[in-house]
Amino acid sequence: AQKVTQAQTEISVVEKEDVTLDCVYETRDTTYYLFWYKQPPSGELVFLIRRNSFDEQNEISGRYSWNFQKSTSSFNFTITASQVVDSAVYFCALTTNNAGNMLTFGGGTRLMVKP
Amino acid sequence: DSGVTQTPKHLITATGQRVTLRCSPRSGDLSVYWYQQSLDQGLQFLIQYYNGEERAKGNILERFSAQQFPDLHSELNLSSLELGDSALYFCASSAVRGVPEAFFGQGTRLTVV
Repeated sequence: AQKVTQAQTEISVVEKEDVTLDCVYETRDTTYYLFWYKQPPSGELVFLIRRNSFDEQNEISGRYSWNFQKSTSSFNFTITASQVVDSAVYFCALTTNNAGNMLTFGGGTRLMVKP
Repeated sequence: DSGVTQTPKHLITATGQRVTLRCSPRSGDLSVYWYQQSLDQGLQFLIQYYNGEERAKGNILERFSAQQFPDLHSELNLSSLELGDSALYFCASSAVRGVPEAFFGQGTRLTVV
């Protein structure tokens, strides 16, 4: 069975602060893929990043960065210099080859960035 | 734009009724997934189709069914609707083989009154 835990249900920061969203996963498969999605108030799910289990390199994309650590089964997401437009619910998700690409989602973290 | 198209965007219907949600996958994607997002259950996988055949089932109620047509679009049928079926229903598509990507449509917000 697979499981994704996002312990932070809600985070509130002031604009320009850095914020890290935590994600811890469980799987018995050795090949797996981790995802982050953003769900803005409009409701759509926006794909942010995919990482596979063989690539532990951290990734940076503009103000976004991701820290993948297999040793702690974590895939954390950091937003640097947060902006009001970053306000959304963020979901971490997991799939494996054995799962046929079906995603198991965490419960989501609601991020509120105040001006 | 993810390339996955869902219609309608919003749907309001009464209890006991039946509705059909439609999804067109990204060009070239053979696999379609349906997910339900409700307040109490979060985002849950319902069912997957690959090239017209059912591939996997998740927590899908017996009142719900789906199919994928030869042109690869998919429909999710919800019948005998209950208030608790009110949710956001998402469709996603991906190429099953190789590296998985899951791009989601904008969702259909179903409200059962």
